[in-house]
Amino acid sequence: GEDVEQSLFLSVREGDSSVINCTYTDSSSTYLYWYKQEPGAGLQLLTYIFSNMDMKQDQRLTVLLNKKDKHLSLRIADTQTGDSAIYFCAETFKLVFGTGTRLLVSP
Amino acid sequence: DAGVIQSPRHEVTEMGQEVTLRCKPISGHDYLFWYRQTMMRGLELLIYFNNNVPIDDSGMPEDRFSAKMPNASFSTLKIQPSEPRDSAVYFCASSPDSPGTDTQYFGPGTRLTVL
Repeated sequence: GEDVEQSLFLSVREGDSSVINCTYTDSSSTYLYWYKQEPGAGLQLLTYIFSNMDMKQDQRLTVLLNKKDKHLSLRIADTQTGDSAIYFCAETFKLVFGTGTRLLVSP
Repeated sequence: DAGVIQSPRHEVTEMGQEVTLRCKPISGHDYLFWYRQTMMRGLELLIYFNNNVPIDDSGMPEDRFSAKMPNASFSTLKIQPSEPRDSAVYFCASSPDSPGTDTQYFGPGTRLTVL
């Protein structure tokens, strides 16, 4: 079946950049999404990229899409402690979410 | 907009009891999704509806699970009888457009514990 894979854990220091990676198998989606889940809450849309784009920048967030390698990444610049959460990439044509990457930001 | 509303937020029940989870989607959204999240399996799609009609229920684990959408503003997910392995966080989400073309808006989830 379709699959979306992410690394499970990332730890960074406040002020550093964070890069969360994702690989996927299906490329039918018009969009690919990044969601953020804070403790005890539902998933919140963070950003998305249209499938015919290579890069999208949204304030501190940069999304890179390599369609050839089916690789998606999310870069968070100047990471803050409030960015600590679980981040999911999602391919929504088949409604498949990645396993989630737990980002821990230390002061 | 109030967003997707789910109730209850927490449910603790004993094995064998019936459990009903409720969801109110965002007004005007034609698609409604039910997901289950566990540590072992991550986020899994259970079923989704379009205009109150179930489109794909292949993720429903077994006959103990059933979902209904009697109108555009309400959906239920029922587990009968419940088992300890059903313990998870159940999310409802809604979307204005079809999968792959628009994002989904998630509710806060219902944390179910079956003892």
